[in-house]
Amino acid sequence: GAVVSQHPSRVICKSGTSVKIECRSLDFQATTMFWYRQFPKQSLMLMATSNEGSKATYEQGVEKDKFLINHASLTLSTLTVASAHPEDSSFYICSASSGDTEAFFGQGTRLTVV
Amino acid sequence: DQQVKQNSPSLSVQEGRISILNCDYTNSMFDYFLWYKKYPAEGPTFLISISSIKDKNEDGRFTVFLNKSAKHLSLHIVPSQPGDSAVYFCAATRGGTYKYIFGTGTRLKVLA
Repeated sequence: GAVVSQHPSRVICKSGTSVKIECRSLDFQATTMFWYRQFPKQSLMLMATSNEGSKATYEQGVEKDKFLINHASLTLSTLTVASAHPEDSSFYICSASSGDTEAFFGQGTRLTVV
Repeated sequence: DQQVKQNSPSLSVQEGRISILNCDYTNSMFDYFLWYKKYPAEGPTFLISISSIKDKNEDGRFTVFLNKSAKHLSLHIVPSQPGDSAVYFCAATRGGTYKYIFGTGTRLKVLA
């Protein structure tokens, strides 16, 4: 199946710093990528839809100035958590569609803000 | 507003028996449904899907049933194996997009 690589898998940062998470589709071109967030023992909540070459579409309640998304190419989307705070600590997951009937997910990134 | 719900947070099943995971949805516009398996600190792995034009889809040990009138779908795993132990999420989408709305997940434990 298609491969989506997410990096880093784990990051610890100090409060107030920014963190960038990369999502790459390794063997297909993804015109659309999605970013999810999962709190412990909760569902995956869609944060935003990332379209190549255009601005991301954010879900209600997601701060676009806090979670900056860039989709510069057909194989790469990045999520930057700006001025991270402890409440931003979570598991972030990206997905990308290959044109088939399901999207493929990255391995996820565990962000811990201390 | 939780559009996709999995009312059982956990399920334990004996090895070799059938596991049945349930999922309910509220949005009648959903036309495509998927089941994902997820381990801690990993991304979800696709298992099986079903279009709203069908009421059943089977793939090996996994079968998904869709009851549109009840807005309910279920995943059957038979026979269950210890390696099936994970959290299972159902997801729904519409209009051919890959924008998935996930349920709350059910933790399955298959006992050897």
